[in-house]
Amino acid sequence: SYVLTQPPSVSVAPGKTARITCGGNNIGSKSVHWYQQKPGQAPVLVIYYDSDRPSGIPERFSGSNSGNTATLTISRVEAGDEADYYCQVWDSSSDHPVFGTGTKVTVL
Amino acid sequence: QVQLQESGPGLVKPSQTLSLTCTVSGGSISSGGYYWSWIRQHPGKGLEWIGYIYYSGSTYYNPSLKSRVTISVDTSKNQFSLKLSSVTAADTAVYYCARRVVVAATRWFDPWGQGTLVTVSS
Repeated sequence: SYVLTQPPSVSVAPGKTARITCGGNNIGSKSVHWYQQKPGQAPVLVIYYDSDRPSGIPERFSGSNSGNTATLTISRVEAGDEADYYCQVWDSSSDHPVFGTGTKVTVL
Repeated sequence: QVQLQESGPGLVKPSQTLSLTCTVSGGSISSGGYYWSWIRQHPGKGLEWIGYIYYSGSTYYNPSLKSRVTISVDTSKNQFSLKLSSVTAADTAVYYCARRVVVAATRWFDPWGQGTLVTVSS
């Protein structure tokens, strides 16, 4: 089955840029979606279709996808961005979703 | 905008059946174009997809849970439900309902319900 690998944690100072990677075999051939989950809350979609932002999501959130790695970039990080972030693709061979292992972003 | 809300018992005894309902507001479950999903998250762990249903009743389940899962829909109440039988402590998790969006060859989940913690314990 298809596997998505994320770093367990990323630390970033306020105002700096956080980059969260999502690794998968030829993931560039798939569409990647990203969710933000703050403590005690449900996941919220922050990026879909590799780089599109739902309405209400700040422009500070951006995404890219190529080769074997997709990346969620958070620019000008704020304390409120501290959360777990999950990537997700659709595995067409099994016709079900695959979620990444999750990355905890800590704002220093 | 569409909102989802889970409801059901927060405590289930081992070997019994877990039953949850998701109520959809702000839109019709019968409008088509979306699948309605259940996803769970074990304490401190990642996300695990359980299954989904179309308003017509067509379902698809995670193969690892398929033998114990039933998802149904009640379009008159704008609700869909999850039943998970023969539960054990390993089924203790936060259960989310979510709308599955389909675009071309990909799918994503938006929005999600707030989630409900179900604990399996005697």
